[in-house]
Amino acid sequence: GEDVEQSLFLSVREGDSSVINCTYTDSSSTYLYWYKQEPGAGLQLLTYIFSNMDMKQDQRLTVLLNKKDKHLSLRIADTQTGDSAIYFCAEGSGGYQKVTFGTGTKLQVIP
Amino acid sequence: NAGVTQTPKFQVLKTGQSMTLQCAQDMNHEYMSWYRQDPGMGLRLIHYSVGAGITDQGEVPNGYNVSRSTTEDFPLRLLSAAPSQTSVYFCASSGQGVAKNIQYFGAGTRLSVL
Repeated sequence: GEDVEQSLFLSVREGDSSVINCTYTDSSSTYLYWYKQEPGAGLQLLTYIFSNMDMKQDQRLTVLLNKKDKHLSLRIADTQTGDSAIYFCAEGSGGYQKVTFGTGTKLQVIP
Repeated sequence: NAGVTQTPKFQVLKTGQSMTLQCAQDMNHEYMSWYRQDPGMGLRLIHYSVGAGITDQGEVPNGYNVSRSTTEDFPLRLLSAAPSQTSVYFCASSGQGVAKNIQYFGAGTRLSVL
């Protein structure tokens, strides 16, 4: 079956860039997503990228996709304490509601 | 604009009790899903629905029932709660066409089964 893997924890200093990595196994993935979960809250869609793109930029967020290696990354520029959260990578394999989530990466921003 | 609303936010049950977790969305979305979130396991799909009157099983359906009598509501029923069902439950919805894989999540229900 499909699998999405992420490292569990990342710590960065405020003002630095954060890079959260993700690998997936399903070569038929058509959408790849990044969600943010703040403590006690649900998941909030941050951004997504189509599988025929290799980069997407949205303000401080940059998503890079290496489809050959099935590797997705999320870069957060000028990381702020408000960015502290758990970040989930997910892939959608077309069809409907066919979304597989990673285990999440907890980002800790040190002031 | 409420989005996806889940109730209750917290619940404690005894083993063997039954309960229904409520989920409602006001975005006229066709697709709705239930996930459970456990430490170190990400989100796992329990059941989903592609429209009123249509439901199907996800990855971990055992012990849960769902129904979809209206577009807005998608309740999740635990018929006989077990400690293994202690988890955080999230409901999500999405629209049609290109938007069908863009899911909007509720704030979650934190369930403890003793």
